[in-house]
Amino acid sequence: DAGVIQSPRHEVTEMGQEVTLRCKPISGHDYLFWYRQTMMRGLELLIYFNNNVPIDDSGMPEDRFSAKMPNASFSTLKIQPSEPRDSAVYFCASSLTRFRGNQPQHFGDGTRLSIL
Amino acid sequence: QKEVEQDPGPLSVPEGAIVSLNCTYSNSAFQYFMWYRQYSRKGPELLMYTYSSGNKEDGRFTAQVDKSSKYISLFIRDSQPSDSATYLCAMKAGTASKLTFGTGTRLQVTL
Repeated sequence: DAGVIQSPRHEVTEMGQEVTLRCKPISGHDYLFWYRQTMMRGLELLIYFNNNVPIDDSGMPEDRFSAKMPNASFSTLKIQPSEPRDSAVYFCASSLTRFRGNQPQHFGDGTRLSIL
Repeated sequence: QKEVEQDPGPLSVPEGAIVSLNCTYSNSAFQYFMWYRQYSRKGPELLMYTYSSGNKEDGRFTAQVDKSSKYISLFIRDSQPSDSATYLCAMKAGTASKLTFGTGTRLQVTL
């Protein structure tokens, strides 16, 4: 089974440019999560979707950040305009609702973003 | 104060040692507790999860939860160099979908 697929794996761009990160969740999963990981702050939840609908975007740092999920197999996280402090590793994760019990989140391998 | 506190390490132990990793938390609503392992340049992968208080064992790994103290632990017996990674604790309230993570403890197991 293919896991969560993220692209690109690495992105280096100049300040002010638009950045688009992409995620393909595991087929059949109905939850999708976007995280940001830095040394200082650890893993922070930015936004999550259920059945393609954004449920909680309280972790999105600023209006420069936006996320979409046009269908069950694709999501994007966009930063426009980008700033050096946005440099981090961005992870996408997906999970499947079950009747009860924990639903583990499965993570992609991340996009390492550097804003110069 | 963060909801979940975790010593960042690094923690260096010799091969074969018993490793103890810990997290404390402040939110009494947390009921599900997880440990994720993250290798360098990879995403976190779920290692263990427990519900409420108690112990859970899986091979060389044991997870413990003490809700009265708001303290969780992961023990690794007979540690191996392949256990070298960052270990993140995570937790959530019963009906919540989102996880709250610790910042991770970096573990190095040396030969």
